[in-house]
Amino acid sequence: EAGVAQSPRYKIIEKRQSVAFWCNPISGHATLYWYQQILGQGPKLLIQFQNNGVVDDSQLPKDRFSAERLKGVDSTLKIQPAKLEDSAVYLCASSLEVQGRGPVRGYTFGSGTRLTVV
Amino acid sequence: QKEVEQNSGPLSVPEGAIASLNCTYSDRVSQSFFWYRQYSGKSPELIMSIYSNGDKEDGRFTAQLNKASQYVSLLIRDSQPSDSATYLCAVNIEKRTGANNLFFGTGTRLTVIP
Repeated sequence: EAGVAQSPRYKIIEKRQSVAFWCNPISGHATLYWYQQILGQGPKLLIQFQNNGVVDDSQLPKDRFSAERLKGVDSTLKIQPAKLEDSAVYLCASSLEVQGRGPVRGYTFGSGTRLTVV
Repeated sequence: QKEVEQNSGPLSVPEGAIASLNCTYSDRVSQSFFWYRQYSGKSPELIMSIYSNGDKEDGRFTAQLNKASQYVSLLIRDSQPSDSATYLCAVNIEKRTGANNLFFGTGTRLTVIP
């Protein structure tokens, strides 16, 4: 089974610039998540998609972050304009969902994109 | 109160010893609990899941769940230097919207000393 693919692996940008990250989940996984992991902290959920619909974006800073999953497969996360505090690893994950039980096998994470804003 | 709390450590144990990692959670109706291992510079890797009260064993790993106390733990027997990593506790929480997602603790950094 192919894993969750993410690109790029690393990105360095100046503050106020824009950046986009790409994710391709495991085939057949309807649910896709974007997490932000700041150094020394646990991952924090930004947005959750079920197929191509947004299930939860309550923690997404919508003034600067946006995400889409147009065909229910690939997803992109964009930051515009970036701030210094956005420096983090952005993790994409996917899962099988079972109604009332949540993710049966947990989430499978991609390798992440390490963003440095200078 | 945070949804998931862990001792940040660091926790150091000698090779061959038992490492004990603990986690508490706030949502009484949570049903799914996970332990992830994260090596430095790598993404989290699922190592254990547990859904029912009691113990679940998988090789050198044992997950323990006590829903009444809202407590999850991970025991690593015969610890090896390769077990040195950050261990993340994750709890599935269902929101009022019906959305299920995982909340993570801050992780406990484990070092196994040869």
